[in-house]
Amino acid sequence: QVQLVQSGSELKKPGASVKVSCKASGYTFSSDAMNWVRQAPGQGLEWMGWINTHTGNPTYAQGFTGRFVFSLDTSVSTAYLQISSLKAADTAVYYCATVAGSWTFQRWGQGTLVTVSS
Amino acid sequence: QSVLTQPPSASGTPGQRVTISCSGSNSNIGSNAVNWYQQLPGTAPKLLMYTNNQRPSGVPDRFSGSKSGTSASLAISGLQSEDEADYYCAAWDDSLNGVVFGGGTKVTAL
Repeated sequence: QVQLVQSGSELKKPGASVKVSCKASGYTFSSDAMNWVRQAPGQGLEWMGWINTHTGNPTYAQGFTGRFVFSLDTSVSTAYLQISSLKAADTAVYYCATVAGSWTFQRWGQGTLVTVSS
Repeated sequence: QSVLTQPPSASGTPGQRVTISCSGSNSNIGSNAVNWYQQLPGTAPKLLMYTNNQRPSGVPDRFSGSKSGTSASLAISGLQSEDEADYYCAAWDDSLNGVVFGGGTKVTAL
């Protein structure tokens, strides 16, 4: 069946980097763009941007430029989110999600909790 | 401060009709489709309604969506205990060039 499986929880110190993976299965990876959505503890959903799974071209939302990098490994149908120079404010659950027409987030990963603490 | 405005909470007794509003502007809801997501406690969001009023396969027909001008709403007719969740509206924003979400509405079955 169609699913997005994300990597496990991470505990990082301020200033470190983290790389979250999102492995797709059950469909053609390059057919749907991959999006990333952040949810801080007790807060709502925040769109981080998306990556074209055909070309690898990323687009970042306002507030997610500089320290955030989207990438792909199409050979293993996996998308990645890398965050560098981590801050406590980056503590959140990060979701990957594929998009269909009208920017509909059709399929979601289970989420990856990234905790930044000294 | 979310671009789309939702009430923080809504509630009803089982069987009642509950409506959640989502208010935006001409650059988002006024010119683009609205989607709704349901997030059950401790789980990932799930697509509940797309393109204003279309239900994905498997979503009960007690859920319905509508849009008028720069506002949208989600209705749950015949609230059930398993509907207790957070609900988010979302739309593309032409000015911000990105997807914007509402702040979410927590629905409680009393």
